[in-house]
Amino acid sequence: NAGVTQTPKFRILKIGQSMTLQCTQDMNHNYMYWYRQDPGMGLKLIYYSVGAGITDKGEVPNGYNVSRSTTEDFPLRLELAAPSQTSVYFCASSYDEGNYGYTFGSGTRLTVV
Amino acid sequence: RKEVEQDPGPFNVPEGATVAFNCTYSNSASQSFFWYRQDCRKEPKLLMSVYSSGNEDGRFTAQLNRASQYISLLIRDSKLSDSATYLCVVRRPSNYQLIWGAGTKLIIKP
Repeated sequence: NAGVTQTPKFRILKIGQSMTLQCTQDMNHNYMYWYRQDPGMGLKLIYYSVGAGITDKGEVPNGYNVSRSTTEDFPLRLELAAPSQTSVYFCASSYDEGNYGYTFGSGTRLTVV
Repeated sequence: RKEVEQDPGPFNVPEGATVAFNCTYSNSASQSFFWYRQDCRKEPKLLMSVYSSGNEDGRFTAQLNRASQYISLLIRDSKLSDSATYLCVVRRPSNYQLIWGAGTKLIIKP
C-alpha cells in the first residue's frame, strides 16, 4: 500500500522556469491538499480539492495552479518560478476533512536559483 | 497574534523524563485540535487528536483548555525515538481548514 506518492523528491529550478509536482494516492481519498513548509513556519495551504473536478485556493495560491481530473492524482504546477517559491512541498490526502488525520507524501525539496 | 503559536524550543530532555509543551490558539470558536509529529526532513504524521475531555495514548497525553485557549502534550518516560518536532494543528471553524503551528523541537538525550 503506497499511500501518497510525490515526485520528484528534489529539484533545482532556474528563475522563470516551470515545473509540475506530481502527487498520487491509492487510498481512494476524496480530499487532497498541497502545502508548502518554510523553515520556522507552519505548513501553509496552497490548494486543496474535495473531489475529482473540484479545486479551491488555500492561503498562498499565487504562482501555482492545480488540477484534479481523477480521484488519485493532484498535480501542482509552478509557472515562472521565483526564489520565493524555494520551499519543501507536501501533498496530503484525507478520508474526510481530516478528522482521522492526513496522510502526507514524503515531500519535494525545491530550490529556485 | 498568530492563529496558532508554539514555543519553537528546542526542549532538551534526558531519556526517561517527562516533558510537556503547550500550544495556544486565537480563535475561541475552534473545535478540532491535533498533534502531529515530524521527524527531521520527513513528512508530518498524526500523533493524536485532542478531545475536550483529554485523551491518552500510551505515554502520550493530550489536554484541551478552552478557557485559556491552549492545548498541551505530555510525554512520559521519554525515549530517544521521541526526538522530533511536534506540530500543533487547529481547525479554523470558518472554512474547516487546518492551521499549523511552526512546531516545538524536542531532543531526548541519553
